[in-house]
Amino acid sequence: EAAVTQSPRSKVAVTGGKVTLSCHQTNNHDYMYWYRQDTGHGLRLIHYSYVADSTEKGDIPDGYKASRPSQENFSLILELASLSQTAVYFCASSGTGDSYEQYFGPGTRLTVL
Amino acid sequence: GDSVIQMQGQVTLSENDFLFINCTYSTTGYPTLFWYVQYSGEGPQLLLQVTTANNKGSSRGFEATYDKGTTSFHLQKTSVQEIDSAVYYCAMREGNMGYKLTFGTGTSLLVDP
Repeated sequence: EAAVTQSPRSKVAVTGGKVTLSCHQTNNHDYMYWYRQDTGHGLRLIHYSYVADSTEKGDIPDGYKASRPSQENFSLILELASLSQTAVYFCASSGTGDSYEQYFGPGTRLTVL
Repeated sequence: GDSVIQMQGQVTLSENDFLFINCTYSTTGYPTLFWYVQYSGEGPQLLLQVTTANNKGSSRGFEATYDKGTTSFHLQKTSVQEIDSAVYYCAMREGNMGYKLTFGTGTSLLVDP
């Protein structure tokens, strides 16, 4: 079965610290995405990638970097974590062609103190 | 730019009640529209995809339609059950914009037994 896994599942970070969230997919999908979820805002796209070693900015990229070292792995990096980045982060993957379904991971709850 | 408006933030129903959730969209292209469902503690998952105006998509007792004239799309279910309690997101992919999705802010459905 297609699967997207995320690690860690939860994390507490200090303001100004560096945070790396990891995502791994076994779907053989070309596209991978990072979203953040906040009450009242729904899901907002931070970064996405359609091929290894390349990333694209989404709708809210400020304060975040992304890395796609292989087709299966996609990381989200917060170089200087801030209080406003407290949220739940979801990774997703999707294929190409006529199927646009995105498969989501279970999410990472990040709390910045 | 593209946008999806989902006005109903929270809906509380009793079992066997009728569910109707509405979203409006704005795009310059030809959209493909989706409904995703997120159960507590999980990532979102695709519920329905609607690709043709005035045609219905259906899954798990839910039906979705969209009206090109009013740029709106709807999710409905005749008789909800407690297990339908979840957050429902509408989403849109613009025709020529790769595989990015724009999500609404979500409707939290609580079904009382």
